Amino acid sequence: QSALTQPASVSGSPGQSITISCTGTSSDVGRYNSVSWYQRHPGKAPKLMIYEVSNRPSGVSNRFSGSKSGNTASLTISGLQAEDEADYYCSSYTGSSNLLYVFGSGTKVTVL
Amino acid sequence: QEQLVESGGGLVEAGGSLRLSCAASGFTFSDYYMSWIRQAPGKGLEWVSDISSGSPHTRYADSVKGRFTISRDNAKNSLSLQMNSLRAEDTAVYFCARVTGQNAFDIWGQGTMVTVSS
Repeated sequence: QSALTQPASVSGSPGQSITISCTGTSSDVGRYNSVSWYQRHPGKAPKLMIYEVSNRPSGVSNRFSGSKSGNTASLTISGLQAEDEADYYCSSYTGSSNLLYVFGSGTKVTVL
Repeated sequence: QEQLVESGGGLVEAGGSLRLSCAASGFTFSDYYMSWIRQAPGKGLEWVSDISSGSPHTRYADSVKGRFTISRDNAKNSLSLQMNSLRAEDTAVYFCARVTGQNAFDIWGQGTMVTVSS
């Protein structure tokens, strides 16, 4: 099982929309709807932003949305704000006990 | 306030051992699966291990199987990770996290740094 593939960096201007892709395989992203997204600011704990592909936890801005098509999941941030600048990681359940969850390599979002 | 606080990290020589702890508060600890997740310097997140809520069933990533042991004490709202035969590649920030029924990690601790010198 390899890490999920994410772009190393994505940037956008305030107010714009950006999309981060997360590509896995038919054994993880393509097989399960247990895809989640995490935001991590430097030195801080990761924060759950999206679970089960497209659900937002209470308190997460509706500017964050998720989707999935085949083996690729996506996180879209609309109305980009300075506070959105952070690292973002996707994760998928795999059902395989030797690596039960696989994470993406991470995407650095820069607000220009 | 739901919270997780890790402790126990530090500097250890290769081949040595370390025990990490995670104190939970603000929620019914015994109701949840719990996980350890790590992040090596400059790398992405990596799932390490998890443990079921009740009669503990444990699972491990192949990279740590046979060397790490996860355990919990529901009476003390505590999660632990015993790490033996440590290697340089185990150097990372270690997070404990609560696992939801939807296989997501909704509460994370602030992390504890483990450095293994070779």
